[in-house]
Amino acid sequence: AQKVTQAQTEISVVEKEDVTLDCVYETRDTTYYLFWYKQPPSGELVFLIRRNSFDEQNEISGRYSWNFQKSTSSFNFTITASQVVDSAVYFCALIQYNNNDMRFGAGTRLTVKP
Amino acid sequence: NAGVTQTPKFRVLKTGQSMTLLCAQDMNHEYMYWYRQDPGMGLRLIHYSVGEGTTAKGEVPDGYNVSRLKKQNFLLGLESAAPSQTSVYFCASTSPAGWNTGELFFGEGSRLTVL
Repeated sequence: AQKVTQAQTEISVVEKEDVTLDCVYETRDTTYYLFWYKQPPSGELVFLIRRNSFDEQNEISGRYSWNFQKSTSSFNFTITASQVVDSAVYFCALIQYNNNDMRFGAGTRLTVKP
Repeated sequence: NAGVTQTPKFRVLKTGQSMTLLCAQDMNHEYMYWYRQDPGMGLRLIHYSVGEGTTAKGEVPDGYNVSRLKKQNFLLGLESAAPSQTSVYFCASTSPAGWNTGELFFGEGSRLTVL
């Protein structure tokens, strides 16, 4: 079975600091998808990014960037120049190609202080 | 655009009572999921369905039953509620092609309290 570990339960930074959220996954499949979701205080879940196992290119979207490394089974998320609006719980998730069973990590609560 | 709608949004039950959560999606998605969210544990998959008439167990299925009689609806039932089932429940849907776009569409959540 697949598993996602987000070892950082809570992170607190001051605005404009860079912050990296760690995600480590386990899977026996060679084909899988990784995701990051954001859950702001309002409670809804917001999709941020998806990566498939064959695409190890890092991705940058504005202040957000993702580092996917199959060698260490990690899919880390970095926010550059953090802002108060980035305060949320962030979830990493994994789905294996053959079973449609999407698993989430426990989440990392990020607090960005002004 | 309704997307994924969960009913009810809030409910308080007494131990032993039964109830059903309804999830409805209007995007013609094949796949539907029920998750529960508890502090410090993230979202845990309860049951899911890959099509009308089919369901499968997820990570924490005990104490819950589901049905997918219509493609657009996915029902989550609690036959005899227990305090351990106090949680926020999220429904989600996507299509097989959705894994290529990456988006799982979530409902707004249903907060259930079992006294």
